[in-house]
Amino acid sequence: EAQVTQNPRYLITVTGKKLTVTCSQNMNHEYMSWYRQDPGLGLRQIYYSMNVEVTDKGDVPEGYKVSRKEKRNFPLILESPSPNQTSLYFCASSFDKSLEQYFGPGTRLTVT
Amino acid sequence: RKEVEQDPGPFNVPEGATVAFNCTYSNSASQSFFWYRQDCRKEPKLLMSVYSSGNEDGRFTAQLNRASQYISLLIRDSKLSDSATYLCVASGAGSYQLTFGKGTKLSVIP
Repeated sequence: EAQVTQNPRYLITVTGKKLTVTCSQNMNHEYMSWYRQDPGLGLRQIYYSMNVEVTDKGDVPEGYKVSRKEKRNFPLILESPSPNQTSLYFCASSFDKSLEQYFGPGTRLTVT
Repeated sequence: RKEVEQDPGPFNVPEGATVAFNCTYSNSASQSFFWYRQDCRKEPKLLMSVYSSGNEDGRFTAQLNRASQYISLLIRDSKLSDSATYLCVASGAGSYQLTFGKGTKLSVIP
């Protein structure tokens, strides 16, 4: 089944404790992206990647890192999480930016 | 700042009604446009791509007006299952950045 998977789905952590949210797609997509969704602010792009080893900042990259060492994986790293990073995070992929993006199921992160 | 603006609603309509959503975008260089549907606490899913010539898929019709920089979505004969939040998306020319609107919430009432 073609899909985008994210892990973990739910995470509660404390300020400053490094964490990684994994994202993997099995559709051989070149383009992958991370978003966060907050009430009243909608979906905002954090980082995106056009292909392996090619990444760029979205609208809200501060406090996040990404890497794209393999085509299928695009992990999101929070080196020192803070409470303002409490949010619902979505990973997405597509063959090209002009084509449909497939979203993962989301990761609900709470930083206390 | 490149933005996509939508009326947040909520739109409460009876079953069978026709409802229209509009969305404006600020980046005149945007090339690709989409409507996504998002159910509560779920991931967004593509409803339609929006083409310059307009496109229709069953009860759904999407239009693009480049001169006025707006996109529209028309839903005819609304069903209870159409209740969701509808997200408007625009991409930039030569850019892989995608900008989402904040969404318009639709509730279809029996």
